[in-house]
Amino acid sequence: EVQLVESGGALVQPGRSLRLSCTGAGFTFGDSAVTWVRQTPGKGLEWIGFIRSRSFGETTNYAASVQGRFTISRDDSQSTAYLEMSGLQVEDAGVYYCSRADYGQPLDEWGQGTHVAVSS
Amino acid sequence: DIVMTQSPATQSVSPGERATLSCRASESINTNIAWYQHKPGQAPRLLIYDSSARATGVPARFSGSGSETEFTLTISNLQSEDFAVYYCQHYNAWPPYTFGQGTKLE
Repeated sequence: EVQLVESGGALVQPGRSLRLSCTGAGFTFGDSAVTWVRQTPGKGLEWIGFIRSRSFGETTNYAASVQGRFTISRDDSQSTAYLEMSGLQVEDAGVYYCSRADYGQPLDEWGQGTHVAVSS
Repeated sequence: DIVMTQSPATQSVSPGERATLSCRASESINTNIAWYQHKPGQAPRLLIYDSSARATGVPARFSGSGSETEFTLTISNLQSEDFAVYYCQHYNAWPPYTFGQGTKLE
């Protein structure tokens, strides 16, 4: 059974940083791209970005709203992908999900999400 | 970026009825669209991909259609467990793979 588990969500102050983790099981993590999606309060789902597998150079791509502030990385030895968020703003608060999907693919499996709150 | 526009924002339906949800892309995305069901406190669930293919385990009452810029998700014989928010998302060519703003079935 494919599983994705997010962790690391917390309450942080505006301007601070936070790192989220996404650990996969039940599939060959190293062969899969990992996508991050968030749902902010009162809004819908927002595609944040993804990281491709080592076979594709671990290429990353980000939404304009997070470009330069968020960084996605991976450690295949731990079957884990990371979302490093810096300069957090109130509008970054929400539930962050990881999924697996590469270029031109739908998001077929999702984690349960981890909550991020940004407040002073 | 491609803008995905869903309508209506909210649809009031009753169990046993049919719901028709629409999604329009700001430019052609061929059939590179997925539909997801999202319930509070749960992970989103892939229902339809490639415009009309049902994901594994999705009941036949869910069907998708459309191409280029106009797409539809139809849910026949609505069941109580189908009341949720539904999102469309394109995955055509290059990112960002934007979502629509969602349609809530109530």
